This record gives sequence, C-alpha cells and structure tokens, in this order.
Amino acid sequence: EIVMTQFPATLSVSPGESAVLSCRASQSVENYLVWYQQKPGQAPRLLIYGASTRATGIPARFSGSGSGTEFTLTISSLQPEDFAVYFCQQNNDWPLTFGQGTKLEIK
Amino acid sequence: QITLKESGPTLVKPTQTLTLTCTFSGFSLTSSGVGVGWIRQPPGKALEWLALIFWDNDKWYSPSLQSRLTITKDTSKNQVLLTMTNMDPVDTATYFCALRPGKSGYKNSFDPWGPGTLVTVSS
Repeated sequence: EIVMTQFPATLSVSPGESAVLSCRASQSVENYLVWYQQKPGQAPRLLIYGASTRATGIPARFSGSGSGTEFTLTISSLQPEDFAVYFCQQNNDWPLTFGQGTKLEIK
Repeated sequence: QITLKESGPTLVKPTQTLTLTCTFSGFSLTSSGVGVGWIRQPPGKALEWLALIFWDNDKWYSPSLQSRLTITKDTSKNQVLLTMTNMDPVDTATYFCALRPGKSGYKNSFDPWGPGTLVTVSS
C-alpha cells in the first residue's frame, strides 16, 4: 500500500498571501496525484488531477506540481473561502490512498 | 448536472450488516470508463477509500476491509450499493459515494461526491 504523507498538518496564513501544501508518496505514483478541498460539513471537492491539471471551475490561483513522490499544492492570493482542509490522493495503484490532510487556517 | 446521494440507516448495532445506497443522476454507469466509488471519513479524521465498481462490473476493494465489503450496481435504477458486514463502533463515519469519471487523465479520482451520510455504530 502506498502511504501518503501530508505536511504540515496545520498551516496558518493571512488572507492575500500564498500557501504551499506538501504531499509525499512512499513510492512513485508518477503524476497520478489529485488534490481535494473539504470545508466543514461538506463533501470533498476535486481541485487538481494529474498532479497539475485544474478541475473544471477551479480558480487559477490553485496550482499543483510535482511527480514521482513529491507534490505541492500552491494557493496564491488566499481568499476567505480557501480556508479549509486539503487532502491529496494517489490514484496510480490499488488500494487508492489519501493523505491525512492539511488544515489551512486564517492567521 | 451530475448528482449523487447516499442513503441508508443512520444507526446500526455492533455485528449488524450495513447496506448503503448511492443514487445518482446525470451520467450512466454503462458508459466506458465510468465508475462509482465509496469513501468514508470518521469524525475529524482522514478519508479512507473503500470500494469502486466500474461500468463493466469490475470491482476493487480496500484490502483491509475486503472480507467485509460487497459493492454492486443496478444500472436500471441508477444505483450503487455497498454492504459492510460485522459493523463495529470504529466503523462510525460519514460514508460518501463519488463518481469516477471516464474522462482521460482523471484515472481513479473522484468528481463529484455525494453529500455523505453519517453512520453511527452503537448498541
């Protein structure tokens, strides 16, 4: 099983600044890495697939990068609605596995 | 517009069998590449993938839960069912179903998700 590790667990950033979230896979997942955003009481929403492709309707301030085992999600010019929990998921191999999440909170 | 919605009991007793239904609209589970998955999330914790069924009836399960899970589909009703046997309090979680798009590049990602249903396991 591929273990996904996200860091930091919590990130405090001020609105208008940028945030960089990291996700590491225990073995290569090529570029089969997705990012989700989850707000309290809601289902996750797909942000990025293929490590760097924004899903439909996702603002350009969200960008993903990386391949192999190291990935990042960058959110530039943070908006109030961006403060949420972010999960990464590898979709390269079975079983599908998620990271533990990074909580992005307002500083 | 694609929608999915989970339904089932909100409370089950330990050792009982849980059956959840995912009712969807806006896509067909007979279309090539399409699948529906189940994912759960204990309160305040991370997401855990459980099972995925494809348009061709291929099925994949989490190895740690495979012995307890069964996923089936009823394309005539636009439904996917998940059965989990021998429920335990540690299975208390919100259970989500989600679409595995058949579009290129998405592979086994999920978009969109249903709102989820909270299942509590308690005597």
